Amino acid sequence: AQSVTQLGSHVSVSEGALVLLRCNYSSSVPPYLFWYVQYPNQGLQLLLKYTTGATLVKGINGFEAEFKKSETSFHLTKPSAHMSDAAEYFCAVSDTGTALIFGKGTTLSVSS
Amino acid sequence: DTGVSQNPRHKITKRGQNVTFRCDPISEHNRLYWYRQTLGQGPEFLTYFQNEAQLEKSRLLSDRFSAERPKGSFSTLEIQRTEQGDSAMYLCASSTEAEAFFGQGTRLTVV
Repeated sequence: AQSVTQLGSHVSVSEGALVLLRCNYSSSVPPYLFWYVQYPNQGLQLLLKYTTGATLVKGINGFEAEFKKSETSFHLTKPSAHMSDAAEYFCAVSDTGTALIFGKGTTLSVSS
Repeated sequence: DTGVSQNPRHKITKRGQNVTFRCDPISEHNRLYWYRQTLGQGPEFLTYFQNEAQLEKSRLLSDRFSAERPKGSFSTLEIQRTEQGDSAMYLCASSTEAEAFFGQGTRLTVV
């Protein structure tokens, strides 16, 4: 069975600081990995995804993530946080397009 | 087509009543998913359609829940005899092979 663990339910950074949101997964087959962002009372918006190929994936809004098979990790980073990045972030795993299994989410707070 | 559309956005109902939600997916997507999200949690998978066929159902989907996707187009999720524990955000997504697009959800409050 697949599962996702997001380390840290809350992360706080200062504007301009590095953002690092951690995600570890468990999958018995080569996984598809995703990061979604959710703003209050909104649906989820895809930030980036890894399916095959290059393990460093670039997404929207300056975010990127690196698939590390040996560490079963898919951490999300952004070099410089912006106030508009404050939201909830979800890591998810699936196999070949079936249902997504989500982590519990990490709330990112950005202070000025 | 601007994306996945869900109606209503909000629904307040009395315990014991039946409710039905609708999801209109992106037109060329043949896969459709329903998820439930409670406060402080990630979305939890409920059920999945490929075209009109319901291919997978979570154990979370009790016999009070039913979903349909007639003709492989829009989908409905019905909850019968609602309970307070059904209060949640119900999210619909449609997808291509490897990317799911989510609607804004229907927030259900059972009082």
